[in-house]
Amino acid sequence: EPEVTQTPSHQVTQMGQEVILRCVPISNHLYFYWYRQILGQKVEFLVSFYNNEISEKSEIFDDQFSVERPDGSNFTLKIRSTKLEDSAMYFCASSGELALADTQYFGPGTRLTVL
Amino acid sequence: RKEVEQDPGPFNVPEGATVAFNCTYSNSASQSFFWYRQDCRKEPKLLMSVYSSGNEDGRFTAQLNRASQYISLLIRDSKLSDSATYLCVVTPEAGNNRKLIWGLGTSLAVNP
Repeated sequence: EPEVTQTPSHQVTQMGQEVILRCVPISNHLYFYWYRQILGQKVEFLVSFYNNEISEKSEIFDDQFSVERPDGSNFTLKIRSTKLEDSAMYFCASSGELALADTQYFGPGTRLTVL
Repeated sequence: RKEVEQDPGPFNVPEGATVAFNCTYSNSASQSFFWYRQDCRKEPKLLMSVYSSGNEDGRFTAQLNRASQYISLLIRDSKLSDSATYLCVVTPEAGNNRKLIWGLGTSLAVNP
């Protein structure tokens, strides 16, 4: 069964450093998403991406965040200057054809720890 | 009022028990509703979509009451493997099915 993959599984970084989280969505999917979950808190929407542009972003997704689909398979989330409060689990998700777009499939997540 | 509100639990039940989870949502324009399951430190996985007429998938039954803005999940004959956190999820408005709004989740522990 096709699945969303994410790398790395765990990233440790120093405050102020840039990190790039990588995702490979399911191959025929058209919509891509990033969510985050701070430990013990709810899952929060960050951004959705379609047709090579951001379709929606939350207030969390400020200028420090950016997304890119650099080639036909990868979907990345960059945090330019990490803060302690960016420590969280980051989940990538993708969804498919328009009729089934509601169903989002999640990757296993990248645990980001900012020291 | 929180966008999606759930009783955090934990619910501790014996194997074979029936357990019900409730969820309320604040945006009356919400169109799509889901239950996801999340195991500890893992990604959320779709358990089932929730339809206006109610729907059942094996031991799981979901109900939606739009007038009360209330969603429920019933698990019958619970198994040890049902132990997880159950997340109530809605989309914010008509025409926007991309952004998922999540509840904090209800923790379930099924005991032998």
